[in-house]
Amino acid sequence: GDSVTQTEGLVTLTEGLPVMLNCTYQTIYSNPFLFWYVQHLNESPRLLLKSFTDNKRTEHQGFHATLHKSSSSFHLQKSSAQLSDSALYYCALSDRYGSSGNKLIFGIGTLLSVKP
Amino acid sequence: GALVYQYPRRTICKSGTSMRMECQAVGFQATSVAWYRQSPQKTFELIALSTVNSAIKYEQNFTQEKFPISHPNLSFSSMTVLNAYLEDRGLYLCGARDRQDSYEQYFGPGTRLTVL
Repeated sequence: GDSVTQTEGLVTLTEGLPVMLNCTYQTIYSNPFLFWYVQHLNESPRLLLKSFTDNKRTEHQGFHATLHKSSSSFHLQKSSAQLSDSALYYCALSDRYGSSGNKLIFGIGTLLSVKP
Repeated sequence: GALVYQYPRRTICKSGTSMRMECQAVGFQATSVAWYRQSPQKTFELIALSTVNSAIKYEQNFTQEKFPISHPNLSFSSMTVLNAYLEDRGLYLCGARDRQDSYEQYFGPGTRLTVL
């Protein structure tokens, strides 16, 4: 079935260092739609990035990701981590053209902790 | 802007009792509503997907008998957790989409259910 695999557990970084959170997926969808959601403590998930275009970089709020269908990957990156980036990050998969386009399949989540 | 409200934000119920939660879309028409559950230490699982003028689709391990959903109009949806037990505790999220061709899903803040 469809699934999303992320960097598991806790990633701890020092402020100013680059961020790289891995996300790979498996799907039968011929047109996968990939998302990154960020969830701060006691808040609901908020959309950070999305993409369905192969090999095109998408950016928002300093974060970027590129969907690579050849490797089924959608890694999240940022050049310099900030303290406020500490949160849970979820990679999610949807079917762009399917009737179940509202169905998101979430990865397990990666907790990013940025230290001074 | 598009907002999704959920209430109650937190609720506690006794084991074996039922609890109803609501989801309201403001600023857009929620043509499709997805209900998710985030159990403790786990990722989000889709419970069911409700699309206007279509039957509600439940995911494996979730049934209408346990989680009846109502989606009477384009701004409101509700879900009841019947006969709640310890394994039903968690954060219940409502995700709403405003058009069939829109793949951005707006999440509410969630209803956190504690079962005693």
